[in-house]
Amino acid sequence: DTAVSQTPKYLVTQMGNDKSIKCEQNLGHDTMYWYKQDSKKFLKIMFSYNNKELIINETVPNRFSPKSPDKAHLNLHINSLELGDSAVYFCASSPDQGGETQYFGPGTRLLVL
Amino acid sequence: GESVGLHLPTLSVQEGDNSIINCAYSNSASDYFIWYKQESGKGPQFIIDIRSNMDKRQGQRVTVLLNKTVKHLSLQIAATQPGDSAVYFCAEMLPGGSYIPTFGRGTSLIVHP
Repeated sequence: DTAVSQTPKYLVTQMGNDKSIKCEQNLGHDTMYWYKQDSKKFLKIMFSYNNKELIINETVPNRFSPKSPDKAHLNLHINSLELGDSAVYFCASSPDQGGETQYFGPGTRLLVL
Repeated sequence: GESVGLHLPTLSVQEGDNSIINCAYSNSASDYFIWYKQESGKGPQFIIDIRSNMDKRQGQRVTVLLNKTVKHLSLQIAATQPGDSAVYFCAEMLPGGSYIPTFGRGTSLIVHP
C-alpha cells in the first residue's frame, strides 16, 4: 500500500545505454514530478505532469523523456546515459499543481559507469 | 543548537536539546514554503508548511517561523530525538500557474544520544 513507488531502487549501467525508471502513485493525485538529487543532496525538479500533460520542463537534456500513460504513472526514460547522469532520481506526486505539498517516492539510485 | 543559513550544512545536537535549522530563500514573491525531512536512503517527507500570510505555524514538536522582511525561514524542533537525525530541506514556491518548488541546499541534523 505504498503511496508513491519507484522501480528499480538501484540501477547500475554502462555509459551510452538507454534505461527507464518507473513511478506509480496510488493517492489519486493529478500531478506527478521527477526530481534529480546530486551527490551533494541538491534536489532539483526536472519535469511535472498534470493529468498526463507536461506542465513543467526545466532545463533538462532531451535525452531525458518522461512518459505518462495515465495519471497514476510517470515513467522516465533516459537515452545515451552519461557519467553525469549518476544521481538519485525521485518521483513525487501532489493533489494538483497549485501549491500543495508533494509526496515523494523512495528514489532510484542510478550509477553510470 | 542552531545552523546559520545554508553555509553550515551540518548541525549536531544532544538528545533533548532544541534544534533550529535556518533557511534563506531567494524570491520575495514566494508565497508558500515547506520543510521536508529526508532520512538516509529515503525520499523527502513533508514536515510542516506555511503560507506567506502567516509568520508562525506550529506542529507536533516543530515550529516554522517566516520572516518575509529578510526572506528567512526557520524550523525549530523541540526536544530533539535520535529519530530526528536526517537532512532537512526548505522549499519555496512562487504563486501563479504551476507551482515550481525550489529547494534549499539542505542541513544535516545529527542527534547524539
